[in-house]
Amino acid sequence: SQQGEEDPQALSIQEGENATMNCSYKTSINNLQWYRQNSGRGLVHLILIRSNEREKHSGRLRVTLDTSKKSSSLLITASRAADTASYFCATVSGYSTLTFGKGTMLLVSP
Amino acid sequence: DVKVTQSSRYLVKRTGEKVFLECVQDMDHENMFWYRQDPGLGLRLIYFSYDVKMKEKGDIPEGYSVSREKKERFSLILESASTNQTSMYLCASVPSLGYTDTQYFGPGTRLTVL
Repeated sequence: SQQGEEDPQALSIQEGENATMNCSYKTSINNLQWYRQNSGRGLVHLILIRSNEREKHSGRLRVTLDTSKKSSSLLITASRAADTASYFCATVSGYSTLTFGKGTMLLVSP
Repeated sequence: DVKVTQSSRYLVKRTGEKVFLECVQDMDHENMFWYRQDPGLGLRLIYFSYDVKMKEKGDIPEGYSVSREKKERFSLILESASTNQTSMYLCASVPSLGYTDTQYFGPGTRLTVL
């Protein structure tokens, strides 16, 4: 069953701008993860945030988690053309299999 | 670095054929997963395995079976391929089913069933 839902479905920005993607989910979670997928390739893990954390940083990535609203956001600062990809959130609850959202397609133009 | 490989990047099969998709990981991970990815539907879990010869159904197991005879290898089997199984298939592995573990994905196999 689908758990995370990303918003927007597609995002187009210029290099140097910030990109924000949101994820909402329905049930309580153990952790939430963000993955990136370049066109036609496998997924690459970006960052994991636990349910007792509110914010996490990794390089140009910043993830927030609001468990009261059952939502998370991924911010990519100073975007580059190489950031063009699809981004997925995935939630972990119960026995720890991942449940993925449908993804946000990000296009960063030079 | 963890490496997850899949036997084919692209595969074309005919309706009714038996299809094997192979996945191999080289990091001694306990758990392996098969997903399919379709436009507008995201990734959906087909089957996973938490040990050799052990398997669990995911969200959409119908029409599929799996085999895990060795720890490093997890096979997805389409007993009689149908056109609605045309999709991108992704394999993943994780060391253990824990709260902080992330999944490592293979490059994917794009299967077309004619």
